[in-house]
Order: sequence, then structure tokens, then C-alpha cells
Amino acid sequence: GAVVSQHPSWVICKSGTSVKIECRSLDFQATTMFWYRQFPKQSLMLMATSNEGSKATYEQGVEKDKFLINHASLTLSTLTVTSAHPEDSSFYICSARELWGRADTQYFGPGTRLTVL
Amino acid sequence: KQEVTQIPAALSVPEGENLVLNCSFTDSAIYNLQWFRQDPGKGLTSLLLIQSSQREQTSGRLNASLDKSSGRSTLYIAASQPGDSATYLCAVNAGNQFYFGTGTSLTVIP
Repeated sequence: GAVVSQHPSWVICKSGTSVKIECRSLDFQATTMFWYRQFPKQSLMLMATSNEGSKATYEQGVEKDKFLINHASLTLSTLTVTSAHPEDSSFYICSARELWGRADTQYFGPGTRLTVL
Repeated sequence: KQEVTQIPAALSVPEGENLVLNCSFTDSAIYNLQWFRQDPGKGLTSLLLIQSSQREQTSGRLNASLDKSSGRSTLYIAASQPGDSATYLCAVNAGNQFYFGTGTSLTVIP
């Protein structure tokens, strides 16, 4: 089946620094990737949708200048948390939709746990 | 906007029991519904996917049903095992976006 990887799987950083999280589709091409975050004991919430070669679409309440998304190729999307603060500590999960796949199928990555001290 | 609710929020059962997890959603215009398992600190494992035209799907001890018109889905787990302990999430696919429920935390006691 289709595999999506994320790197790193966990990261700890100091407040004020920036952190980059990668999402890769390993065995398929993804025109669209999605970024979710999950706070403790809460469900996943969509942050943004990124399409290869174009600007990401952010959900209401998500700061696009703080969460920079780049989808430069059909197999890689990156999320950069800029000037991270403790309240950004969360579990970030990406998903990818296959280029020629069904429009209703997404494959999820294993997630990245971010802790900001 | 689609809202997904899962009941109960937490469930504790002795090993061997059959159990049912519930999921309800407010907008019946969906492509499909998916049940996931999430272990603590881990990502999502897809368990069952039900297309909007289907009524149920089965995989091993798991059976998921879908009643789109009433906005409900259930996940039935037969003969529960301690290894089934995890959080179970249902997610509704409405076009390009998944809407997730808040999950049911299941503990199976040996």
C-alpha cells in the first residue's frame, strides 16, 4: 500500500527557534498534501492543504506566516514552525493524496511530536 | 460545517467482551467514513474504510457499519483483547477534507 513518512518523528526545541517537518510520499506521487495537528486529548484538526507548485490554503485561525508550508515536488511537503512557542507543542500529522488515485483517498504519515521548551 | 462526535469518550472492558463504538456526523454528504486506531504518541493506523454507498465493512474481528442518512457509524469489536487497547478515531471524508471525531479511548483489561 501507499506509504507516507515524516521526519523527524519527534523534536524538542527552544522557544523562538524554527523547526522544519518533512512529509514524503515514498512510493507514489502526491499532488495534494494535508497538514493536521493534534493537541493532547483532542482530535486532529486540519491546518492547511498544500498543492504541488502552488501556495497552501490555510484553515481559519491558522497563521500562515507562522506555519510555512512548501510543496515543492510531488513527493515532498514541508511544514516550518517559525519562532516556535510552548503553545505550538503538538503532534503534527500529514497526509497525502495520490496523483492518479481516488479523490477520496488519503494516506497518513506517522506524525511528528514537537515539544517547545 | 461537518461535526463528528464519538461516544463514549472512554471505555474499559474485560478481555473477551464484544463492544461497540459509536460515531455520529452532522452532514450526510460524505464520500466515505474511515475508522482509525491511534496508540499513545503514535500516528494513525487505518482499520476500515466504508464508502458512502456501502453499509458495512469487515476485517477480522472488526466490523464497521454506516447509516449515511442518519449520520451514524458503529465499530464493532468482537472478542476484545488487551492489544486492542488504544484510541479509536472515526473520520468523515467530505471532499478534500477529513473531519475527525474526538476519539474513544479503549482499555481492555486482561
